[in-house]
Amino acid sequence: DTAVSQTPKYLVTQMGNDKSIKCEQNLGHDTMYWYKQDSKKFLKIMFSYNNKELIINETVPNRFSPKSPDKAHLNLHINSLELGDSAVYFCASSPRLDRVTEAFFGQGTRLTVV
Amino acid sequence: DAKTTQPTSMDCAEGRAANLPCNHSTISGNEYVYWYRQIHSQGPQYIIHGLKNNETNEMASLIITEDRKSSTLILPHATLRDTAVYYCIVRAGNTPLVFGKGTRLSVIA
Repeated sequence: DTAVSQTPKYLVTQMGNDKSIKCEQNLGHDTMYWYKQDSKKFLKIMFSYNNKELIINETVPNRFSPKSPDKAHLNLHINSLELGDSAVYFCASSPRLDRVTEAFFGQGTRLTVV
Repeated sequence: DAKTTQPTSMDCAEGRAANLPCNHSTISGNEYVYWYRQIHSQGPQYIIHGLKNNETNEMASLIITEDRKSSTLILPHATLRDTAVYYCIVRAGNTPLVFGKGTRLSVIA
């Protein structure tokens, strides 16, 4: 069973469109994250949620809106897509905010804005 | 910003030990050293972490210097499948991982 799964794996869309990326974890973890990996391969944290509540928002434009309907899901909705949004987006989860433990990553969603 | 410094790239012969160094001279007392790797086009994969003692698991060993200002990740018998970018990260508690540029390890047959 896949621990952290993201859909879709590939997403090609036009500028100005609105799109969503879904993430689900079946590990029972409390904390979930979204990371962005740009064309230069830098991995940067975007958001962190703990028990469905936003903990960290790393100066991400308002066009990006994460939604956590329950602890197992953290979806990323992007409005008015721009060329610079093209990247690979990774979802991750870890057990608890107060424990030292590893994070588990999904396989990524490659977003291409044309 | 990442608090670690790693060589940009390294080569290792297949079957030999791969020793990947990492400097973290500004590490705080409550920060752990984590290692992750990213095989091409896949999500980052956890390898190992430690605070001050050396650690070993089925994937690798982690050697942390006594002053904790540097560490070395050891893959005892590198295989072609170990070719990846390896990230050394210092992290307190369960805060988000802050990735640097990592070391691109190429295992050569």
